[in-house]
Amino acid sequence: EADIYQTPRYLVIGTGKKITLECSQTMGHDKMYWYQQDPGMELHLIHYSYGVNSTEKGDLSSESTVSRIRTEHFPLTLESARPSHTSQYLCASRGTGNQPQHFGDGTRLSIL
Amino acid sequence: AQSVAQPEDQVNVAEGNPLTVKCTYSVSGNPYLFWYVQYPNRGLQFLLKYITGDNLVKGSYGFEAEFNKSQTSFHLKKPSALVSDSALYFCAVRDMTNAGKSTFGDGTTLTVKP
Repeated sequence: EADIYQTPRYLVIGTGKKITLECSQTMGHDKMYWYQQDPGMELHLIHYSYGVNSTEKGDLSSESTVSRIRTEHFPLTLESARPSHTSQYLCASRGTGNQPQHFGDGTRLSIL
Repeated sequence: AQSVAQPEDQVNVAEGNPLTVKCTYSVSGNPYLFWYVQYPNRGLQFLLKYITGDNLVKGSYGFEAEFNKSQTSFHLKKPSALVSDSALYFCAVRDMTNAGKSTFGDGTTLTVKP
C-alpha cells in the first residue's frame, strides 16, 4: 500500500540543474527521513526531521538540503546537480514509539 | 551508539529448504529490532519487529525472527523458502530511549533457487 509517495520515480537530468525530489505521506507522521542508496547496497541517512520546522543532517554528508514546512511534506533539493549525485533516494516516515518506518518507492536520479 | 551487523552479503538456498539471514546488534539500552525486505526498484517493506516479550516473533509472508539477548542477535528465519522470497533483506535497530534514528545493517541478498 502506498501511503508515502515519492515523485518523480526516475529523473535523468544534466549537470548544474536545480532538482527537487518530492516526498509526501498521509499518515500524519512527525518523523521523516531521507536515505541515499546505490542499487543493491546499504542505506545512508542524509537528512531527517522530527516535525514541522525541524531538520537535521544525517550520518552521510550530503550537498542536498531539506525543508519541513508541513507535516506531510519533506522535499529534498539539490541546488546544482553533479554526476556524483547519481543514486537512488528513499524517503521514509514513522509514527511514535516502536513503530517501523514506512518507505516510499524511491527516486532514481541520474545526472549526466 | 548503536550498530547492526549482517555478516553475510549473500545467502543462497534451495526452494523448500529452511532459510536463515543473520543479524547482530549493539545498543546501550534495550532495543527495538526490525526486519525489512526490498525488491528491485522498490522501497523497503516492513516484515516484523521485536519490542519485548516472546523471543520468537512472527511476521509477514511466513517469516519469523528469534531475539537472543545474550548473543545480541535477531536472525530472520523461514521454514520453507520460496523463489519469490529472493530479495534484499535489512535488519535495523533502535534504542528504546532514542526517539529518532534507526541504524540499518548493510543488507543481505537472499537468492532462492528452484
